[in-house]
Amino acid sequence: KQEVTQIPAALSVPEGENLVLNCSFTDSAIYNLQWFRQDPGKGLTSLLLIQSSQREQTSGRLNASLDKSSGRSTLYIAASQPGDSATYLCAVPSVGGYQKVTFGTGTKLQVIP
Amino acid sequence: DVKVTQSSRYLVKRTGEKVFLECVQDMDHENMFWYRQDPGLGLRLIYFSYDVKMKEKGDIPEGYSVSREKKERFSLILESASTNQTSMYLCASSSWGGYGYTFGSGTRLTVV
Repeated sequence: KQEVTQIPAALSVPEGENLVLNCSFTDSAIYNLQWFRQDPGKGLTSLLLIQSSQREQTSGRLNASLDKSSGRSTLYIAASQPGDSATYLCAVPSVGGYQKVTFGTGTKLQVIP
Repeated sequence: DVKVTQSSRYLVKRTGEKVFLECVQDMDHENMFWYRQDPGLGLRLIYFSYDVKMKEKGDIPEGYSVSREKKERFSLILESASTNQTSMYLCASSSWGGYGYTFGSGTRLTVV
C-alpha cells in the first residue's frame, strides 16, 4: 500500500521568502505525482503534474521536482506572497492502479505580510 | 475552461434523509471519484467509477452508494444520512493516460 508523508505539517514564513515543501512516498513505481493547493473550505486546485519520466516541472514561481528512486518530491515556491497561504497536498498513484491516488496529509502554509 | 461542477456548495440535511450529491464534468473523462475530507483524516476515497454504469468501492463505502448513468455525471447517495456523515465531499475526474485529477469545488454537508 502506497503511503505518502508531507513534512512539515505547518509552516509560517515572512513574505518574500523562498520555501520548500516536501512529499515522501513509499513505493517508487509511480506513473506521476501531482501537487495541489487547497484554500479553506474549497476544493483542490492542481498546481503541477510530474510524469514519472520527468525530473521537474515549472509554473511561474512554482517548481516541483521528482526523485523516484528516493521516493521524494519537493515543491519550491519562490518569493512567497500572502496569497500563497493555503494547504498544499501531493498525490501519488496507489500501487496496483494508477487511476487511484493516495494523498498526503498536506502542509499548511501561512505567508505573513 | 474545463470543469468539474458540484451542484451544491453547502447542504444541511436531517438525520435519516436520503441525500443526493451531484457531480458533472465536461472533459469527457472516463474516471470519476468521490472523496470525503475530515480534519486530521485527510482525503478518503468513498467510491470511484471508470466507465458508465461501473463502480468500485473505495476505502470507506459504508453508508453510501453511487450512480453513473451518463459519462459526465457521477452521483453520490447517502441512503439514510447520519450525523457522522457530516463532512466535506469532493468529486474528481481523470482520464486514462495519467494526466492527473481535476477536482470540483466541494460540498460541505451538515447532517443535523
